[in-house]
Amino acid sequence: AQSVTQLGSHVSVSEGALVLLRCNYSSSVPPYLFWYVQYPNQGLQLLLKYTTGATLVKGINGFEAEFKKSETSFHLTKPSAHMSDAAEYFCAVSDRPLSGGSYIPTFGRGTSLIVHP
Amino acid sequence: DAGVIQSPRHEVTEMGQEVTLRCKPISGHDYLFWYRQTMMRGLELLIYFNNNVPIDDSGMPEDRFSAKMPNASFSTLKIQPSEPRDSAVYFCASSLAGRNYGYTFGSGTRLTVV
Repeated sequence: AQSVTQLGSHVSVSEGALVLLRCNYSSSVPPYLFWYVQYPNQGLQLLLKYTTGATLVKGINGFEAEFKKSETSFHLTKPSAHMSDAAEYFCAVSDRPLSGGSYIPTFGRGTSLIVHP
Repeated sequence: DAGVIQSPRHEVTEMGQEVTLRCKPISGHDYLFWYRQTMMRGLELLIYFNNNVPIDDSGMPEDRFSAKMPNASFSTLKIQPSEPRDSAVYFCASSLAGRNYGYTFGSGTRLTVV
């Protein structure tokens, strides 16, 4: 069964500092991996995804993540944090394919990113 | 497209009352999912539909919960009778079949049962 572990329920950084949100997964087969962002009182928005191919994936708002199979990790990074990046971030993994090529992800518990001025 | 639309945004009801949450998926999407989000349990998948047909409802917590999708543009999640422990944010999401697509989530319904 697939599972997702996000290290740290809260991460605090200063504006302009590097953002690193950690995600480790367990899966018996090559997974699809995702990061979603949730702003207050909103639904989740897809930041980026890895399905196949290049292991460094670039997403919206300057975020990127690297799939490391040997470490079973998919950490999210951004070189310079903005105040507007403050939100809840969810890592998700899917190895449950559905008909038509869709999937069902399992979500991590989320990491709250706090950005200080 | 206006995205996935959920209503109401907030619902406060008394224990024992029936609650109906509504969702309009993105036009053309053939999968629809209902999730529940709580501090204790995070995001839980309750049920999902493919082409309006319920495929897996193993996440529905109890018989008090039911979901329907009478057509491609509308789904409901009903709780009858409601209990305080049902208080949570309920999200609807839709997806287009295919490995390269993510989910699009609605803004959620915050349910409070008092």
